[in-house]
Amino acid sequence: GAVVSQHPSWVICKSGTSVKIECRSLDFQATTMFWYRQFPKQSLMLMATSNEGSKATYEQGVEKDKFLINHASLTLSTLTVTSAHPEDSSFYICSARVPYRDGELFFGEGSRLTVL
Amino acid sequence: AQSVSQHNHHVILSEAASLELGCNYSYGGTVNLFWYVQYPGQHLQLLLKYFSGDPLVKGIKGFEAEFIKSKFSFNLRKPSVQWSDTAEYFCAVNAEGSGTYKYIFGTGTRLKVLA
Repeated sequence: GAVVSQHPSWVICKSGTSVKIECRSLDFQATTMFWYRQFPKQSLMLMATSNEGSKATYEQGVEKDKFLINHASLTLSTLTVTSAHPEDSSFYICSARVPYRDGELFFGEGSRLTVL
Repeated sequence: AQSVSQHNHHVILSEAASLELGCNYSYGGTVNLFWYVQYPGQHLQLLLKYFSGDPLVKGIKGFEAEFIKSKFSFNLRKPSVQWSDTAEYFCAVNAEGSGTYKYIFGTGTRLKVLA
């Protein structure tokens, strides 16, 4: 099956610093990736749709200057949390739509961000 | 806007009990429907999906789901659960023809199966 890998799995940073999370499709090309945020005991909240070679499409209420998304290649999308604050602490998950798997999404392992 | 509701947030069952998890969505058009599962410490993975055709869909590990269009529902079922089914289950919807591949997830149901 298709594999999506996320790195790092967990990261702790100081308030005010920036953190980059990578999402890679290991054995397929992903023209579209999705970034989700998961709060404790809540659902996955779609943050943005990352499109290879173009700007990401952000959901309402998600600050695009705060959460920078770059999809520079068909196998890599990155999410950078800029000037992180404690309220940005969360579990971030990326997923990719696999064209030959009939719309199925494959998910990364998730990245737990803790901002001190 | 699309939304997905999962009514059971926590379910505790004994092994061999039957399972039904509710999922309702709100969207007037054609939808693609999914159930994903997240076992402890693992990625989300697909259990089953419905695009068209037979509204009773069979997935992996003995799970099935029935799409009832008139009720906007896509409930997940399993006749006899096992301890290894302990996980979190998410229902998801994708609006077909929306020009986007956005998937909207429900809040999830945490299932605990007692041995």
